[in-house]
Amino acid sequence: QKEVEQDPGPLSVPEGAIVSLNCTYSNSAFQYFMWYRQYSRKGPELLMYTYSSGNKEDGRFTAQVDKSSKYISLFIRDSQPSDSATYLCAMSARDDKIIFGKGTRLHILP
Amino acid sequence: DGGITQSPKYLFRKEGQNVTLSCEQNLNHDAMYWYRQDPGQGLRLIYYSQIVNDFQKGDIAEGYSVSREKKESFPLTVTSAQKNPTAFYLCASSIPRRSSRMSTDTQYFGPGTRLTVL
Repeated sequence: QKEVEQDPGPLSVPEGAIVSLNCTYSNSAFQYFMWYRQYSRKGPELLMYTYSSGNKEDGRFTAQVDKSSKYISLFIRDSQPSDSATYLCAMSARDDKIIFGKGTRLHILP
Repeated sequence: DGGITQSPKYLFRKEGQNVTLSCEQNLNHDAMYWYRQDPGQGLRLIYYSQIVNDFQKGDIAEGYSVSREKKESFPLTVTSAQKNPTAFYLCASSIPRRSSRMSTDTQYFGPGTRLTVL
């Protein structure tokens, strides 16, 4: 079983819809969770950072961590065409390297 | 403007040549990293450095070399020993926790260099 699993997509949704992106993981020691957005031919940019379980909201973005299920989510409300990108989840345990998911390609249809 | 810069944006190399990719940061971060990104493979760690004059191999270090003579700079050399160097290369930096063997803090990425071997 891979440490971090992420559906590669592509995921296509109409503009204005709520988008749900997810990752599952196997290492119960992970406690730092991140979401990055990567536009084509650009470097990833940090969107959300969460420590341990719970929710975190920033504008239209909400990150959710469920450690009991080893499952993290990123929700995008009122999706815009500019949200079209690849979304990478990333996570780490204390004193260890960051493990990245392979990314989900998202297309928001105008 | 604080950030990470990588140059060049595009690089072409002939087989058998060594090439060096530049990475500079003015964020005053201690730790720096090099990743390789291939379609469908995600990010793979090549080398990382937590402090000047010290660096460690990542998961795919063979065929690559680095140096860390200055805090701001972490150049990556892709040598002729690297069998399949065509890829998108990303540099990142972060502030490491004092007690960590390796940083678990958030990494900030540069814009990337796309290397193509002709």
